[in-house]
Amino acid sequence: TQLLEQSPQFLSIQEGENLTVYCNSSSVFSSLQWYRQEPGEGPVLLVTVVTGGEVKKLKRLTFQFGDARKDSSLHITAAQPGDTGLYLCAGAGPYAGNMLTFGGGTRLMVKP
Amino acid sequence: NAGVMQNPRHLVRRRGQEARLRCSPMKGHSHVYWYRQLPEEGLKFMVYLQKENIIDESGMPKERFSAEFPKEGPSILRIQQVVRGDSAAYFCASSAQRTDTGELFFGEGSRLTVL
Repeated sequence: TQLLEQSPQFLSIQEGENLTVYCNSSSVFSSLQWYRQEPGEGPVLLVTVVTGGEVKKLKRLTFQFGDARKDSSLHITAAQPGDTGLYLCAGAGPYAGNMLTFGGGTRLMVKP
Repeated sequence: NAGVMQNPRHLVRRRGQEARLRCSPMKGHSHVYWYRQLPEEGLKFMVYLQKENIIDESGMPKERFSAEFPKEGPSILRIQQVVRGDSAAYFCASSAQRTDTGELFFGEGSRLTVL
């Protein structure tokens, strides 16, 4: 069974601060995805990383896939109240195809 | 909106009743996945279906739960004789094909409350 551990579970920060969320596993994944989920809604895909060491940027969000494809991080620069939500990492493969393994999530609150 | 459609959005059942949750995948998608999410937790995989076939049901409880994806119509997740522990949000996701990049598109979920 592949497991993904996210840390921290909860994070409350002031607007303008930076933060990093971590997603770790002892398993290798063929790809890793980050989702954001608002209350009462389904997860929305933010990014997919595929190559070990890959870095992707989405405005103020920077995603990194570990060299060994076992871990990933999400860094948010100058957080805004609109960033508030549940951030989920999810790993695919290497043999599971589309059956994603989800981390437990990081609930972020950005106070104005 | 051609996204993944789930209904009902909210469902209340008493213990022992049956719950049926429906999912229509995105247009052109033939792969459907069901996930369950308990409050303040991540999503747990339940079952993966392709049209008329169950591909992987390793996350599905052995009793009371069943899923289907008929040739015509939506995918249905059925829970018989519900218990309080079944209260959760059930999410459906779809994809166009099975790939290792694993990109899924999720519906807004069906929230089941068992009284």
